[in-house]
Amino acid sequence: EADIYQTPRYLVIGTGKKITLECSQTMGHDKMYWYQQDPGMELHLIHYSYGVNSTEKGDLSSESTVSRIRTEHFPLTLESARPSHTSQYLCASSDLGRPREQYFGPGTRLTVT
Amino acid sequence: SQQGEEDPQALSIQEGENATMNCSYKTSINNLQWYRQNSGRGLVHLILIRSNEREKHSGRLRVTLDTSKKSSSLLITASRAADTASYFCATDVGGGADGLTFGKGTHLIIQP
Repeated sequence: EADIYQTPRYLVIGTGKKITLECSQTMGHDKMYWYQQDPGMELHLIHYSYGVNSTEKGDLSSESTVSRIRTEHFPLTLESARPSHTSQYLCASSDLGRPREQYFGPGTRLTVT
Repeated sequence: SQQGEEDPQALSIQEGENATMNCSYKTSINNLQWYRQNSGRGLVHLILIRSNEREKHSGRLRVTLDTSKKSSSLLITASRAADTASYFCATDVGGGADGLTFGKGTHLIIQP
């Protein structure tokens, strides 16, 4: 297993709450990613980062925001959670160059009631 | 529409048999990767094949790539119960694109 960690693993929270999903990697990778995955479905890229102070939106529009203050840390924040945010969120990292094999964390399964 | 689509969506075989999964994609790629996902877990990288390669092996895994047909296949030989998982192909289109584009996956069940 790769050295990339996500907390919490499971989160059940009420509508309107602010949440932060944590992601950390110890591989020194410059690129980091957040994917959203509904059960039995494909992954959709929602955010990525090239390095410190770099954040970009992915292919799937998301109300979440991300920050990259340290190379190893790439948290995702939802200011006001809604039931439509219920999903699994997967964090990944990779080197900058190609080919770009990605290493994934175990995921956070979020349920908004 | 997604770049990669796996076929079949689900596959159930007996332990010891071979499992074959296919992936089709729409645009030119720099490389194609296969990942495994155990239930409720993150993805684990299995194998990467570059656009100028036609076949690659890793242990019990064999991947082929046909860029003229825009398709790839993953063969798992001598399957084991521990191979039960979802398998995703992911395409890297190169250039300025970022991230990988994943298909919906093939859910593989190995019956003991």
